[in-house]
Amino acid sequence: GNSVTQMEGPVTLSEEAFLTINCTYTATGYPSLFWYVQYPGEGLQLLLKATKADDKGSNKGFEATYRKETTSFHLEKGSVQVSDSAVYFCALSSYNQGGKLIFGQGTELSVKP
Amino acid sequence: NAGVTQTPKFRILKIGQSMTLQCTQDMNHNYMYWYRQDPGMGLKLIYYSVGAGITDKGEVPNGYNVSRSTTEDFPLRLELAAPSQTSVYFCASSSEGSRPEAFFGQGTRLTVV
Repeated sequence: GNSVTQMEGPVTLSEEAFLTINCTYTATGYPSLFWYVQYPGEGLQLLLKATKADDKGSNKGFEATYRKETTSFHLEKGSVQVSDSAVYFCALSSYNQGGKLIFGQGTELSVKP
Repeated sequence: NAGVTQTPKFRILKIGQSMTLQCTQDMNHNYMYWYRQDPGMGLKLIYYSVGAGITDKGEVPNGYNVSRSTTEDFPLRLELAAPSQTSVYFCASSSEGSRPEAFFGQGTRLTVV
């Protein structure tokens, strides 16, 4: 079946450091790929998405590219801020499955001043 | 601009008690979902609905029931609470279409003692 694997956390970085959170997936067909972010005490918010191979999703300085050849959707940011501290979830949905999402386990990011 | 609203935010139940987690959305979405989030495990789909009167099981439905009498509301029922149901529960909704985005509520933290 379909699945998503993320790098283990927690990840601790200093402010202005470069961030990469790895995400790989297993799926049949052409899934949509998402990164959701969960700030402390809040629900999940969509950070970015990509719906086809080679698409790049971007938002708030974060980017991720849909790589079908490596089945990956790694999240990157060039310079993190303290306010980026949160849990990041990679997820996929299969074509025509609505918002039924399969999530990775989440990666906690802590950014220190 | 309410989006997806869940109540209550926190609840402590005793083993064997029952309760209903409420979820309502004001975006006129046909698709609604219940997920549970356990530490280090990501989110798992409990039940989903593609429209009023239509519900179906997700990955982890045991111990739960749902109903969908209106487009707006999608309550989740726990009949006989067990410690294994201690979790954070998220309701979400999405529009139809081949690659929609899901919108999440703030979550309900449930503890069964």
